[in-house]
Amino acid sequence: NAGVMQNPRHLVRRRGQEARLRCSPMKGHSHVYWYRQLPEEGLKFMVYLQKENIIDESGMPKERFSAEFPKEGPSILRIQQVVRGDSAAYFCASSPAGVNTGELFFGEGSRLTVL
Amino acid sequence: DQQVKQNSPSLSVQEGRISILNCDYTNSMFDYFLWYKKYPAEGPTFLISISSIKDKNEDGRFTVFLNKSAKHLSLHIVPSQPGDSAVYFCAASPGRGGSQGNLIFGKGTKLSVKP
Repeated sequence: NAGVMQNPRHLVRRRGQEARLRCSPMKGHSHVYWYRQLPEEGLKFMVYLQKENIIDESGMPKERFSAEFPKEGPSILRIQQVVRGDSAAYFCASSPAGVNTGELFFGEGSRLTVL
Repeated sequence: DQQVKQNSPSLSVQEGRISILNCDYTNSMFDYFLWYKKYPAEGPTFLISISSIKDKNEDGRFTVFLNKSAKHLSLHIVPSQPGDSAVYFCAASPGRGGSQGNLIFGKGTKLSVKP
C-alpha cells in the first residue's frame, strides 16, 4: 500500500506527557501537511513541511507543538505536556511538488486521547 | 469566524434520488474549492474540485457548481447510492493569499442514503 501511513492509529496519554505522531507520505510526495480535527469540527490546518524545512506553520499553537520532516524518515508531530484539549484526530496529508490546486492525499489519522 | 460554512450538519436521501450538499464561503480570493468524502475512522479522500474561474465541473455522478456572486457552491450526486453515505467536507484553497495545502474546511455534512 503506497498511501500516506500514520502511526500510531490510537494513542492515549495522561496530562503532562508527550505525544509523538508519525507520518510517511505517499511514495514520490515531498510535501507533508498536518491537520487537526476536534470533535464535531472540520479539519484545521496546522503546518506544511518539505524535507528539512517548515514552509508554513501558521496553524500551529505557539507553545508545546512542534513538527519536523527530516531528510530521512517520517514526519513527526510532537506535542509536549499534553492537556485534555489536545484530544483530537490528527491527520497527515501529502502532495507531490508543484501541486497548488489543494488536492491532498490524507492518511487514516492518529487519534489522541488525553486522560 | 468561519470562512467556509456548511450549514446542514446532516442530509438524508433515498437511493436513486439526487443529493445536494451546500457550502458558503466569505473570502472572494479563494482559488480552488474542493469536496472531500470521509468514512468513519478513515482519512478524508478527495472527491472533486473546481477552479474559481469555472462555474461547473462534472465527474461521473458528481457535479460541483460554483456561484461566485453568491459565494456559494454545491455538490450534486446523481443518482445517490448507499455507498455514498459519509461525511462530506467542503474546502477552499487560499491560492495566492496563502500557502499551498493550507485548506480551509467546513464542518461537514453527514449524508445518509437510504436503500
